[in-house]
Amino acid sequence: DSGVTQTPKHLITATGQRVTLRCSPRSGDLSVYWYQQSLDQGLQFLIQYYNGEERAKGNILERFSAQQFPDLHSELNLSSLELGDSALYFCASSLGDDSNQPQHFGDGTRLSIL
Amino acid sequence: AQKVTQAQTEISVVEKEDVTLDCVYETRDTTYYLFWYKQPPSGELVFLIRRNSFDEQNEISGRYSWNFQKSTSSFNFTITASQVVDSAVYFCALSEARGQNFVFGPGTRLSVLP
Repeated sequence: DSGVTQTPKHLITATGQRVTLRCSPRSGDLSVYWYQQSLDQGLQFLIQYYNGEERAKGNILERFSAQQFPDLHSELNLSSLELGDSALYFCASSLGDDSNQPQHFGDGTRLSIL
Repeated sequence: AQKVTQAQTEISVVEKEDVTLDCVYETRDTTYYLFWYKQPPSGELVFLIRRNSFDEQNEISGRYSWNFQKSTSSFNFTITASQVVDSAVYFCALSEARGQNFVFGPGTRLSVLP
């Protein structure tokens, strides 16, 4: 058990819809990262937050947004969903914002777009 | 731009054989971090090791060992006396020192047969 909690585990929705994925980091961790894992693109870094502020951006689409709340949990919002957004979305957390520290991953949210 | 190559898409070995997973990276940074993660069939990502660019000392942890060679930009992972439980997809990843822009390789699927 990594200590990182992601909900829901599975999500099935239709094209054009909007969903919110939630992540609670390990106790004490201030950084939260979001990743997308798909068959086509592999594992891709989307975005990182540190103590409530956006710290780094990766291959995140404009239709996607994220935030980290004062209690350090984070949400990833995906809108105008397309079939290609079907993927496993991972959240990870680490103690600080330095990439020297390992990231600990949640079990992921599997998003299926019909 | 940073890039991680794992040329071996799939490897199959018989239990108790040794196996080496290759990882070659590209970066312009002088300070960077390398990681290995394991993704078993259950789907979660498990952190295995972190190495910074200034530490070229090889590391051994039980049946696992890592060979970091800056001269060839490689960070290879060897499993000694493989076991069926080692069957998983293994990802090599690279991160710049600041900014957390993680880049994952495509992964190597290891199957250990009884």
